[in-house]
Amino acid sequence: DADVTQTPRNRITKTGKRIMLECSQTKGHDRMYWYRQDPGLGLRLIYYSFDVKDINKGEISDGYSVSRQAQAKFSLSLESAIPNQTALYFCATSDMTGYTFGSGTRLTVV
Amino acid sequence: DQQVKQNSPSLSVQEGRISILNCDYTNSMFDYFLWYKKYPAEGPTFLISISSIKDKNEDGRFTVFLNKSAKHLSLHIVPSQPGDSAVYFCAASAREYGNKLVFGAGTILRVKS
Repeated sequence: DADVTQTPRNRITKTGKRIMLECSQTKGHDRMYWYRQDPGLGLRLIYYSFDVKDINKGEISDGYSVSRQAQAKFSLSLESAIPNQTALYFCATSDMTGYTFGSGTRLTVV
Repeated sequence: DQQVKQNSPSLSVQEGRISILNCDYTNSMFDYFLWYKKYPAEGPTFLISISSIKDKNEDGRFTVFLNKSAKHLSLHIVPSQPGDSAVYFCAASAREYGNKLVFGAGTILRVKS
């Protein structure tokens, strides 16, 4: 099993639909993150959580929400998807030794 | 404004030669710098890092150089191999910001055999 598992791997959804991306980790880390990758922009931080009771906005949180259901689970929701949210989404976890990323979710909003 | 910049979107190098990937940053609070490598359909994986108290860190074929006065770092890969072909992201963090990573836009490296 992968240390950080993201589901689904690929998703096509329609404008206006609600969608949830899920992330689970087996590293036992307290810190979890959601990033999106766009060509020419690298990875940008959407939300992060330093423990189960802590949720913080990143640099591009508008249009997104998150839920930290447990230490191991951190989900990202798009309440009403729009085409410019088409991107590759990465979940990550970290401790003092570094970050571990999931394999990504490719989301297309049509 | 991007705080971490990788101005070369792509780089093509012959197998066996040196690859040099560059990164500039603007925030003087950054105290730790990292390079990540990403293959298609995979997440970024850690490659090498350097603390702001050092100017060089070496790990096998990979060396990272840091020039704090110029706010510039570079990754050298010697010798380059076809398996090094990937996207390379520069990232920076600061203790004051909870060590969250700030990424550059990435450089696509192609190593030709």
